[in-house]
Amino acid sequence: QVHLVQSGAEVKKPGASVKLSCKASGYIFTTYFMHWVRQAPGQGLEWMGVINPSGASTKYAQKFQGRVTMTRDTSTSTVYMELSSLRSEDTAMYYCVRDRSRGYSYGAFEYWGQGTLVTVSS
Amino acid sequence: QSVLTQPPSVSGAPGQRVTISCTGSSSNIGAGYDVHWYLQLPGTAPKLLIYGNNNRPSGVPDRFSGSKSGTSASLAITGLQAEDEADYYCQSYDSSLSGSGIFGGGTKLTVL
Repeated sequence: QVHLVQSGAEVKKPGASVKLSCKASGYIFTTYFMHWVRQAPGQGLEWMGVINPSGASTKYAQKFQGRVTMTRDTSTSTVYMELSSLRSEDTAMYYCVRDRSRGYSYGAFEYWGQGTLVTVSS
Repeated sequence: QSVLTQPPSVSGAPGQRVTISCTGSSSNIGAGYDVHWYLQLPGTAPKLLIYGNNNRPSGVPDRFSGSKSGTSASLAITGLQAEDEADYYCQSYDSSLSGSGIFGGGTKLTVL
């Protein structure tokens, strides 16, 4: 079965960067796009971007352009999301989420990682 | 402010039927992008409830159904149960945002 296992919680100071990982298993890694979604405490869901694990192409939400970088390592079936210039408003739970549709980045978010809590505080 | 608009809260008694609306525009739902629905229990990751406007993943009871018309979509829950109390989110994509993913603001369902 599909599993997405994310890295552990992070505490960062304002201005720093954070790089989160998401290790996939149970399916062919390169055949499904992977999204990142975040949720600030008590708030709703926010789409950050998506990566094609096959060719490494990416698409980012306009809000995060210039601050976010998504990469992947096919040898370990792992995707990464790095967010720079952190501010307190970036405190949130970050989820990696696998698209339901093979080779398509406009599908439903079918499989969710357990989430990684990032706290930005001085 | 979310691109997709949902009511902040809805409520219903056990056994009743409730609906949650999701209103978009001509650049997202009205442009033909599918609408998907998620359920989130406190302290847990969201779970896919409806995909492709009206399809249920395996394991989701047929009490849950989705529909889409024009620039809006709806989630209906019949035979309301206490365990349905959760936050519900609609999700789609938007062509004016270069195909970015978008969410509704979420709806808190309270079972009275």
